Amino acid sequence: QKEVEQDPGPLSVPEGAIVSLNCTYSNSAFQYFMWYRQYSRKGPELLMYTYSSGNKEDGRFTAQVDKSSKYISLFIRDSQPSDSATYLCAMSADNQGGKLIFGQGTELSVKP
Amino acid sequence: NAGVMQNPRHLVRRRGQEARLRCSPMKGHSHVYWYRQLPEEGLKFMVYLQKENIIDESGMPKERFSAEFPKEGPSILRIQQVVRGDSAAYFCASSSGTVPGYTFGSGTRLTVV
Repeated sequence: QKEVEQDPGPLSVPEGAIVSLNCTYSNSAFQYFMWYRQYSRKGPELLMYTYSSGNKEDGRFTAQVDKSSKYISLFIRDSQPSDSATYLCAMSADNQGGKLIFGQGTELSVKP
Repeated sequence: NAGVMQNPRHLVRRRGQEARLRCSPMKGHSHVYWYRQLPEEGLKFMVYLQKENIIDESGMPKERFSAEFPKEGPSILRIQQVVRGDSAAYFCASSSGTVPGYTFGSGTRLTVV
């Protein structure tokens, strides 16, 4: 079993839709949860990070963490064609450096 | 701020040759990480370095792969005697070590022919 599971998609939605992206994990030591966006042929770009359980909002993006269920989500409101990318969840047990464990990534396509 | 700089962007090597991938971290960042991304797979951790020290190399293959981050100059990921299975995108990232998450470079795409 992988430490972090993420549905690879692809996921296709119309412009303006609400998008829900999810990851599950097995390691209860994870405390820091991140979402990265990766455009084709580019490096991943950090979108948001959350510590422990709870919600965090940044513009059209909302990250949720439910540690009791070992489940994290990223919601994108009013999706735009420019949101078309691969979204990767990542997790870490500490905040002093150290490796991140990534999900496989979900490929999202927002159609105009 | 130029961000994390990786070079070359594309590298073609014949089987058995050596590949050297370079990474200059963001200004002020002393932590460097190398990840490998294979088609249809996520990013896999390889190694975590600070200046002149390897902190965690648990993701590095035992043979042919090595990494360094010298006191002066960029971090280097070195792959000796490359094989076709080494073909992948190699990403470097850096951080200050004070907040979670890193900044990634644009990657080096290695093709072994």
